[in-house]
Amino acid sequence: QVQLVQSGAEVKKPGASVRVSCKASGNTFTGYYFHWVRRAPGQGLEWVGWINPKNGDTNYAEKFQGRVTMIRDTSISTAFMELRRLRSDDTAVYYCATDLSAMVVAAYWGQGTLVTVSS
Amino acid sequence: QAVVTQEPSLTVSPGGTVTLTCGSSTGDVTSGHYPYWFQQKPGQAPRTLIYDTNNRLSWTPARFSGSLRGGKAALTLSGARPEDEAEYHCLLSYSGDWVFGGGTKLTVL
Repeated sequence: QVQLVQSGAEVKKPGASVRVSCKASGNTFTGYYFHWVRRAPGQGLEWVGWINPKNGDTNYAEKFQGRVTMIRDTSISTAFMELRRLRSDDTAVYYCATDLSAMVVAAYWGQGTLVTVSS
Repeated sequence: QAVVTQEPSLTVSPGGTVTLTCGSSTGDVTSGHYPYWFQQKPGQAPRTLIYDTNNRLSWTPARFSGSLRGGKAALTLSGARPEDEAEYHCLLSYSGDWVFGGGTKLTVL
């Protein structure tokens, strides 16, 4: 059974950075992509990007390019998302998700991490 | 960036049938957009229901089905149950970049 466990809630000031972690168990960590999605209050889901944990390749949504970095540490089966220059509209629950197979993406989801940006 | 549109809200009676749709600002939705559907209840993470237009995952109840109709992706719920009350999100892929719809809040009443 694949499980994704994310780090705890964060409160940050505008202009700061946040790093959210996503620890995987129950699968081959390097076998499947990790995706990051967020949901701001009153909004729908929004794709942030993905990382291929096998080689570190990334693809970020255009909106976040220059502000987001996704990395992974294969030794601890953990993916990370860092978002910089935070603004109040970055306040959201951030989710990681991973694939069931090459054909089925984002089948397994983490529990979400609330990031609050407030002065 | 493309805009993906969903009905903001729908209501279905218990035991009834309802269809949610997912359209694209770039034109018809096709199988090449690999439509996905997710269910999300308040305070919970999304749960993946349908992938690649019409494929259920092992945990997806058979009462949910996906299709393409009228240039849109569609999610049909047949025999709605109270526990199906949730928000439903569609996802379309545009050459590897993902775009979610705004979500449909489904009420079972």
